[in-house]
Amino acid sequence: NAGVMQNPRHLVRRRGQEARLRCSPMKGHSHVYWYRQLPEEGLKFMVYLQKENIIDESGMPKERFSAEFPKEGPSILRIQQVVRGDSAAYFCASSLTGGSASGNTIYFGEGSWLTVV
Amino acid sequence: TQLLEQSPQFLSIQEGENLTVYCNSSSVFSSLQWYRQEPGEGPVLLVTVVTGGEVKKLKRLTFQFGDARKDSSLHITAAQPGDTGLYLCAGAYNTDKLIFGTGTRLQVFP
Repeated sequence: NAGVMQNPRHLVRRRGQEARLRCSPMKGHSHVYWYRQLPEEGLKFMVYLQKENIIDESGMPKERFSAEFPKEGPSILRIQQVVRGDSAAYFCASSLTGGSASGNTIYFGEGSWLTVV
Repeated sequence: TQLLEQSPQFLSIQEGENLTVYCNSSSVFSSLQWYRQEPGEGPVLLVTVVTGGEVKKLKRLTFQFGDARKDSSLHITAAQPGDTGLYLCAGAYNTDKLIFGTGTRLQVFP
């Protein structure tokens, strides 16, 4: 199964710790997106990356959150000094070509559930 | 702010009934996708529609994209318990990000 792979699936962190979420896109996909789903809410766009480039980070909180997609290896969503409000499901998605505007299909991973205690 | 409103928000029906879920916006979509999400899992793509007026069928599911590309509907015929889940529409507005709807939580009882 060459789907979008995310790990860890579940992560518990104490307030103030760092959380790192990893995403390996589908084989051949070079476009990666991160979305966040807060409890009982819909999915909200965070960031769109291509290899080594951040294309759109308009949904990223200004502080503590960062994302990268290096030339080699998975995309990483990093949350520093986590707070309880960061508890959510974080979904990674990938597409073969860029963007959803032209109907490109975006495939989602199974998510990483972050719980901050 | 671009918003996608889905209705109804919750739907509980008996097996064998038909249902329709609506997705509406005041903005024009470049494309629209429908997803189904089960608890503890990621959204699974059902269909992508791009052309105004387009109709796509997936077994008992029929998806329609409005002529003006501002709205879409999902119709399920003869619902089954396996159809239970959260149905999400997501639209693109000439950007690279998807705007997700508020979701419709469907429960089908045997």
